[in-house]
Formats: sequence, structure tokens, C-alpha cells
Amino acid sequence: GQQLNQSPQSMFIQEGEDVSMNCTSSSIFNTWLWYKQDPGEGPVLLIALYKAGELTSNGRLTAQFGITRKDSFLNISASIPSDVGIYFCAGPRNSGNTPLVFGKGTRLSVIA
Amino acid sequence: EPEVTQTPSHQVTQMGQEVILRCVPISNHLYFYWYRQILGQKVEFLVSFYNNEISEKSEIFDDQFSVERPDGSNFTLKIRSTKLEDSAMYFCASGYPSGGYTFGSGTRLTVV
Repeated sequence: GQQLNQSPQSMFIQEGEDVSMNCTSSSIFNTWLWYKQDPGEGPVLLIALYKAGELTSNGRLTAQFGITRKDSFLNISASIPSDVGIYFCAGPRNSGNTPLVFGKGTRLSVIA
Repeated sequence: EPEVTQTPSHQVTQMGQEVILRCVPISNHLYFYWYRQILGQKVEFLVSFYNNEISEKSEIFDDQFSVERPDGSNFTLKIRSTKLEDSAMYFCASGYPSGGYTFGSGTRLTVV
């Protein structure tokens, strides 16, 4: 089945630093989604990407849909303590009404 | 902002007992989903529901599981005879086929 591979698995950064994480797949995805999960909470959608090559920003977050449609990255600029959490990439398993496949997540820790 | 509401937030049950997890999706959404997340692992799809019937289910969603939309607002997941390995966070989500749907805060199910 389709799998999403996220790297790194975890990262520790200093407050104020920029962060980059990515997600790759052996198969093509037509949509890439980035979610953040805080402890004890459900995933919250950060950015949705619908077109190959698309670069989208949401505040300090920027994500790109890779041109091959097999990868995506998420950047966070000037990290702050509330950026702590697990970041998941996800994509629909098929086209149309379809459930999501999630990566295993990147756990981000921010040291003040 | 509209929310997906899940109750209870935490459920402890004895092995072999039946549990019902409840969700109130966002009112104008048409597609409903259950996902689960075993502690420390990725979010996994269980079942999707559209037009009052299951539209897709994963291999996890065996005969012990069932879903229902008993009225116009609630969406429930029933586990008939719980096993220890059913312990997980269960997330309800609602949205549209293009993805990026909204997740609830989850129910933590602990089977003892």
C-alpha cells in the first residue's frame, strides 16, 4: 500500500531557529496535507497542497508540493515554543472520496 | 470555528466489554471518518461513511467494529468485544473528498 516516509523522526532546535522537515513517497499523491498534533489532541490541518510545484504559506509555515508529486517539505521559520508537537504529512490514498494515509510524524522540540 | 466534538475524552473498559465512541461532525459536512492512533504511532484509517453507509474500510475494521449515524448529528463507532490491542486514541473526522478534513480531539480508549 501507499506509504509516506517522514524525516527526520525528531528534532531539537533552539527558539528562533528555522526548521525543515520532509515527506516522501514511492507513489504519486495528488494532494499533500501537513498536520500538527499537540499532546492529547487530534491532528490540526496546517497547510493543504493541491498542485505539483505549489508553494503555500501560512504565517511562519511554508510548504511545497514536489514537482514529481512524490514529495513535500514543510518549513517553519523563527520557531517559538508553541511550535512543539508532532508534524504529520498525509495524502489521500486514491482520488475522489478517499481516506488519508499518514506518515509517522516528525516530533519537534523547541528549546527556549 | 466549527468543530468536530468527541465524547467521552477518555474511556476505560474491561476486556470483552462493548464500547461506543461518539462524535458530532461539523453540520454541513457529508463525509465522516474514524481513525485510530496507537500510542506513539501514526494515525491509521479505520472507516469512512457517506450517504448513510460505509464507503471504505481498512483491514483493521473487522467484524468487531461497526459505525452508525443514528440521527442527523451523531456518528458513532462501536467496538463489540474489546481487546487489549484496541487501546488507542480514536479520532473522528468530517469533511469533503478533496481532503484536509477536520479532526476531533479524540477519545482515549484504555482496555484493561
